[in-house]
Amino acid sequence: AQTVTQSQPEMSVQEAETVTLSCTYDTSESNYYLFWYKQPPSRQMILVIRQEAYKQQNATENRFSVNFQKAAKSFSLKISDSQLGDTAMYFCAFLAGGTSYGKLTFGQGTILTVHP
Amino acid sequence: ETGVTQSPTHLIKTRGQQVTLRCSSQSGHNTVSWYQQALGQGPQFIFQYYREEENGRGNFPPRFSGLQFPNYSSELNVNALELDDSALYLCASSRPGQRRWDTEAFFGQGTRLTVV
Repeated sequence: AQTVTQSQPEMSVQEAETVTLSCTYDTSESNYYLFWYKQPPSRQMILVIRQEAYKQQNATENRFSVNFQKAAKSFSLKISDSQLGDTAMYFCAFLAGGTSYGKLTFGQGTILTVHP
Repeated sequence: ETGVTQSPTHLIKTRGQQVTLRCSSQSGHNTVSWYQQALGQGPQFIFQYYREEENGRGNFPPRFSGLQFPNYSSELNVNALELDDSALYLCASSRPGQRRWDTEAFFGQGTRLTVV
């Protein structure tokens, strides 16, 4: 079984600044995928970014990028040029390779507040 | 908006009662996963349905059961409701491809269940 840990219950950042959310995981799998999801007050879970464990290059999606440290089992999310719309709960999630896409293991979440 | 719709949006039930939650998957998606998200926590995987068959189950008792219909919509049934069943219930639809992780899981907005 795998576990995902997010040690920051809450974070805040000023608009236009950069913030990093932390995530660590534990698994014995060699093939897996990692994700960051955003859940705004509307409750709908939205995929922000994903990383394939076999890829050394860190994933980037516009203002969002990850720092994937496989040996340390660490997967942090960096949000650059923070916007008010980034205010949400952020979840780190794990998917073991070979399993169906929907069986995700989530962390406890980090509430991010972006202040004007 | 993802095209995944859940009904009802809110529900209040009494302990011991039974409840049915519904999920209409995105067009073309044949896989539906259900998650339970307690307040302030990350979602926990309940089970998944693929082409009308259960395709994996998390650590939930048998009183949590489900169905998937030929049009790939799905129901989550919970019998003998307990106070701890109060949570947001999320469904996610996906369509595993040749490389399963290529297919994003799209989440609905959830059903907020309160058991009193």
